[in-house]
Amino acid sequence: GQNIDQPTEMTATEGAIVQINCTYQTSGFNGLFWYQQHAGEAPTFLSYNVLDGLEEKGRFSSFLSRSKGYSYLLLKELQMKDSASYLCAVSLTGGGNKLTFGTGTQLKVEL
Amino acid sequence: DVKVTQSSRYLVKRTGEKVFLECVQDMDHENMFWYRQDPGLGLRLIYFSYDVKMKEKGDIPEGYSVSREKKERFSLILESASTNQTSMYLCASSLQDRGSLSEQYFGPGTRLTVT
Repeated sequence: GQNIDQPTEMTATEGAIVQINCTYQTSGFNGLFWYQQHAGEAPTFLSYNVLDGLEEKGRFSSFLSRSKGYSYLLLKELQMKDSASYLCAVSLTGGGNKLTFGTGTQLKVEL
Repeated sequence: DVKVTQSSRYLVKRTGEKVFLECVQDMDHENMFWYRQDPGLGLRLIYFSYDVKMKEKGDIPEGYSVSREKKERFSLILESASTNQTSMYLCASSLQDRGSLSEQYFGPGTRLTVT
């Protein structure tokens, strides 16, 4: 089976940097996705990693270490609108782009 | 922009009723998915489809069935609704895997309450 772990909640200050970790134990790993979900809304795609290393997209970066089964999402210059749930999801080989999601990390950005 | 729409945002049904949830995407995506989302459990895959008339079970298919008669439309059917199927249902679509990963695009969700 697959096991994906991420913290349930995090709190950070506006303007700061926050790192949301995700660890996974899966067989046949193909890649790792990050989604953002505001309350009452659909998840929206942020980034994905297939190879080890850092992928940067504006204020958001995602890192992957395949050997450690570890990823993180880094959010810089936090804004109040970044308050949301952040979902880590693993794509497995042979899965036809099927994803297995973690339970999500609820991020609260405070003044 | 990719658009995934779902037939209802909110739905209230009685125990034992047959329930249809419809999902339509307008980007000619081959893959379509149905998830349910519950507090503390995250998104769980119910069924997915690679192509018209193709379907495969996800992680929690019991009590559900699906239909994909046209490429753009994927329906989730609750044959006899039960209270434990009260949940948020999310539909998603993506391109077929062609050697690189493709993100899934989600619809706005249907909050189903079974009383």
